[in-house]
Amino acid sequence: GDSVTQTEGPVTLSEEAFLTINCTYTATGYPSLFWYVQYPGEGLQLLLKATKADDKGSNKGFEATYRKETTSFHLEKGSVQVSDSAVYFCALSQPRGGSNYKLTFGKGTLLTVNP
Amino acid sequence: DTGVSQNPRHKITKRGQNVTFRCDPISEHNRLYWYRQTLGQGPEFLTYFQNEAQLEKSRLLSDRFSAERPKGSFSTLEIQRTEQGDSAMYLCASSLSLTFGSGTRLTVV
Repeated sequence: GDSVTQTEGPVTLSEEAFLTINCTYTATGYPSLFWYVQYPGEGLQLLLKATKADDKGSNKGFEATYRKETTSFHLEKGSVQVSDSAVYFCALSQPRGGSNYKLTFGKGTLLTVNP
Repeated sequence: DTGVSQNPRHKITKRGQNVTFRCDPISEHNRLYWYRQTLGQGPEFLTYFQNEAQLEKSRLLSDRFSAERPKGSFSTLEIQRTEQGDSAMYLCASSLSLTFGSGTRLTVV
């Protein structure tokens, strides 16, 4: 079945450091790829997504590029802030009936940014 | 509607009791999903509805769990005879942008 593997946390960075959280996937066909963020005590928020190979998703300074040849969707940010501290989840969805279907998530990566 | 609403936010119950959670999805979104998230893990798919029809159930959904979506609007997830292993965050998601609610955190004592 489909699966997602991401950087095992926790990841601790200083403010303004460069962030990379790795994500690789195993899936048949052409899934859509997502990054979600979860702040303490809250639900999941969609951060960015990409629906086909070579697409780049971006939001709030975060970026990820859908690389089919390496089955990867690494999350990057050039300069992190304390407010970026959260758990980040990589996920994939197989399209069905013209829209996204159920999500398969990685285990999540806890990011802590220190001032 | 501006988002997915879940109630209650928190529920503490004694082992063996029944609990019911509610999800109000974004209006006009015909697909609704339930996920379960345990501590330190990513959410796991439980079940989903297309309008009022429950089209798929995960093997995680034991016979103590039942979900409904009458009239294709809000959905309820009921757990009967709760066990400590049911303690988790239960998340509801609406289709299209796969927007999640804030979840219901269940603690079984």
